[in-house]
Amino acid sequence: DAKTTQPPSMDCAEGRAANLPCNHSTISGNEYVYWYRQIHSQGPQYIIHGLKNNETNEMASLIITEDRKSSTLILPHATLRDTAVYYCIVRNDYKLSFGAGTTVTVRA
Amino acid sequence: DAGVIQSPRHEVTEMGQEVTLRCKPISGHNSLFWYRQTMMRGLELLIYFNNNVPIDDSGMPEDRFSAKMPNASFSTLKIQPSEPRDSAVYFCASSSTSGSGQFFGPGTRLTVL
Repeated sequence: DAKTTQPPSMDCAEGRAANLPCNHSTISGNEYVYWYRQIHSQGPQYIIHGLKNNETNEMASLIITEDRKSSTLILPHATLRDTAVYYCIVRNDYKLSFGAGTTVTVRA
Repeated sequence: DAGVIQSPRHEVTEMGQEVTLRCKPISGHNSLFWYRQTMMRGLELLIYFNNNVPIDDSGMPEDRFSAKMPNASFSTLKIQPSEPRDSAVYFCASSSTSGSGQFFGPGTRLTVL
């Protein structure tokens, strides 16, 4: 699976949009981009995934660039409960390879 | 809807003892995964079952670890004998197909003294 690069940490103000970047320049044509998050002391939580089109669900939006070499996860209105480690993962089979992720801290 | 259920949530045992962790996947899911999380190594996939059959156990650290899935609604991860370096949080996850989103349980925090 392709490697991903994420910033180690970022802060976000409560009520504002949080934009989480991810680089995956070696992604291949059949690999999907998945996003998970892990709130402290809980199991990882699936957020969203996509192949090439932008995706939106009740939790977030996923914007994938046209060349698919990078993506952005958007939390439209961040709340304190969104404080977590966010993982961007590229996969084409059953394996999820979790890196260090981005630690997002939402501040009041 | 009940999510993935794991038991026990916490386990403290002494070195050399047998430990059994249990998992009930989401009903209807046919893929099940066991992961281990430590500060040093992060989240690692230990074993993957599809339709109750082990497909990939390359992440199982050594022969002390074994996993079974006797039916679609139950799986166990056993460590015998346990060692202090096995201390970690063990997660079970399930998915409806091998390539769809995996849904994780709350984890079992294992401490081996």
